Order: sequence, then structure tokens, then C-alpha cells
Amino acid sequence: GESVGLHLPTLSVQEGDNSIINCAYSNSASDYFIWYKQESGKGPQFIIDIRSNMDKRQGQRVTVLLNKTVKHLSLQIAATQPGDSAVYFCAETSTSGTYKYIFGTGTRLKVLA
Amino acid sequence: GAGVSQSPRYKVAKRGQDVALRCDPISGHVSLFWYQQALGQGPEFLTYFQNEAQLDKSGLPSDRFFAERPEGSVSTLKIQRTQQEDSAVYLCASSPLVGVSAGVEQFFGPGTRLTVL
Repeated sequence: GESVGLHLPTLSVQEGDNSIINCAYSNSASDYFIWYKQESGKGPQFIIDIRSNMDKRQGQRVTVLLNKTVKHLSLQIAATQPGDSAVYFCAETSTSGTYKYIFGTGTRLKVLA
Repeated sequence: GAGVSQSPRYKVAKRGQDVALRCDPISGHVSLFWYQQALGQGPEFLTYFQNEAQLDKSGLPSDRFFAERPEGSVSTLKIQRTQQEDSAVYLCASSPLVGVSAGVEQFFGPGTRLTVL
């Protein structure tokens, strides 16, 4: 498949370790956020979401943290597996009537065996 | 269980040519989005359809870009007089939900990589 980006920030982690991917969002009016995973040659895939009335949400092996004060999101992946290798994007939107999601530039996660 | 499909997967065009990119959404999905993804960047919103109605086209970069979904199912993104800066992956996504909620269950296709020479 084709690469989604050749010069993305890259995070390399050992298999089994925890990963933390960070995202600074741009719009203080954004109140809904999604993390996506994009594998080479594929479209983005929904991982987890969070609304601005929460500061933490947990899924299966993933946790999203939201700090509205500094407009920062993080995605934590527990016990990282080789299948987690991909590019991860955060996306933000304001739920007051827009259809637009603003995506961040992405972070490439490499899982080392 | 077919997902969102896009065709062609790869398109090479000479500068000035017109191109048409097709998106087949998941059957029954009301909402359809088009995004442009430049190399090394996140997807950028282009336009949104609810059924056959194009409710938001504010992301289309110029009047050379045109999208349609005449029967509320298949959608076509047309780019006229292609320029080198149009080179990107064009992603289509569909959702069974409408409006802002559509982003919650937004299923992406694999994209069409357009290269303009």
C-alpha cells in the first residue's frame, strides 16, 4: 500500500510497552474529538472519541485524555502490539452546526519487536 | 459486508486534464464526506452530502472542484483542469448518521491517489 506520509513525527516503542501519542488542537470552540488510526493504503479508522465535558475516556487498550486548558489531547495505547503500527490522527469539531472535522498532522507509531 | 469503495485507486493525470473520482458508500448510508489528504498531512474536509443534497461545500479549494451525488448513493468528485497542487489522496467517507453526528460513525474508503504531472 501507499504511504500516508513520509515526514511525520514518529514514535517508536517496544512491543508490550505503553504508547502515548499527543495532539494539540487548534480551536477553543471545539467540543468533540476523535482519534483515528490510518494504516498504509487505507482510510482512517475510528478508535475512540471524547466530548469536552469529559477529561478521560477508556476503551479497549486505549485511553484518551483531554486537557481543555492547554488544548491538548493524548491517546494512550496499553501493551502496544505490532498491529498498532500506523499513523494516528486526532480530529476536532464544534457540534454547534458544522460538518467539518479538523484533522491534526498525525503521528507515525512504529512498534519494535 | 462491503465497506466504502473508491475508484480508481490510482490516477495519473497530465496538468490541465479533467478527472472524475468515484465513491460507492456503504448501502443505506445517508451522509457522505469527501476529504483531501496531502502527503504527510491529515485529511482536509472538502464537502458533505446528506442524501443527494450537498449541504456544505466550503472546503472545496476552487471552482475547479465539483462534487455530486445525484441519487443519494454513489458520489463523484470532479476536478477540472488539474494542477500539480491537486496531487493528493482523495478520501470518501459515509455514515448512517446525519449532521455533526455523522462523524462519530464515519467509515472511510481506501482513497484515490491522484498524481498530476
